[in-house]
Amino acid sequence: DSGVTQTPKHLITATGQRVTLRCSPRSGDLSVYWYQQSLDQGLQFLIHYYNGEERAKGNILERFSAQQFPDLHSELNLSSLELGDSALYFCASSVDGSGLTNYGYTFGSGTRLTVV
Amino acid sequence: GENVEQHPSTLSVQEGDSAVIKCTYSDSASNYFPWYKQELGKGPQLIIDIRSNVGEKKDQRIAVTLNKTAKHFSLHITETQPEDSAVYFCAAVDSSYKLIFGSGTRLLVRP
Repeated sequence: DSGVTQTPKHLITATGQRVTLRCSPRSGDLSVYWYQQSLDQGLQFLIHYYNGEERAKGNILERFSAQQFPDLHSELNLSSLELGDSALYFCASSVDGSGLTNYGYTFGSGTRLTVV
Repeated sequence: GENVEQHPSTLSVQEGDSAVIKCTYSDSASNYFPWYKQELGKGPQLIIDIRSNVGEKKDQRIAVTLNKTAKHFSLHITETQPEDSAVYFCAAVDSSYKLIFGSGTRLLVRP
């Protein structure tokens, strides 16, 4: 157990629907990062939050949004889902905003989203 | 922005042989280079990292080398074992402190 908790583990939904993925960072970590991993693809950065504030955005679609709450958990909202959104979605956490602590990022086990 | 290229995409070795995975990066300001191992159905796990003030780092059978002049870094696994089979990702930190990952190498260790 990495200490980063992602729920749900699996999600199957229809095109056009909206889903919310949840991430609880390791205790003490202030930063949460979201990554998308499509089939046989690498990890594409989506967005970074530090202590409730958005720090950086990657190639995140306008249909996607995220937030980090006062208790530091984060949610990634995906709306108007398309077949191409099917992927593994990972969150990672780190102590500070740089991710350059002793252990870098710690990843959760991911949410597998299937859009049918 | 930072771009990380990783080779090879797949690598098959005999148990006991060595495996080498290479990455290049584009941003000369990058100063942190971690390697992650991803097993089937799991999230990436940090296995070793190196900072720009160091040329080489070892941890048992795993070593990473960094050549800042050439902007490339490599992962070396010696005495490979079947449990080393996984997908390995290199990464580099960009100017906004986020990690940019390579495309991954699928390593298969044949018993």
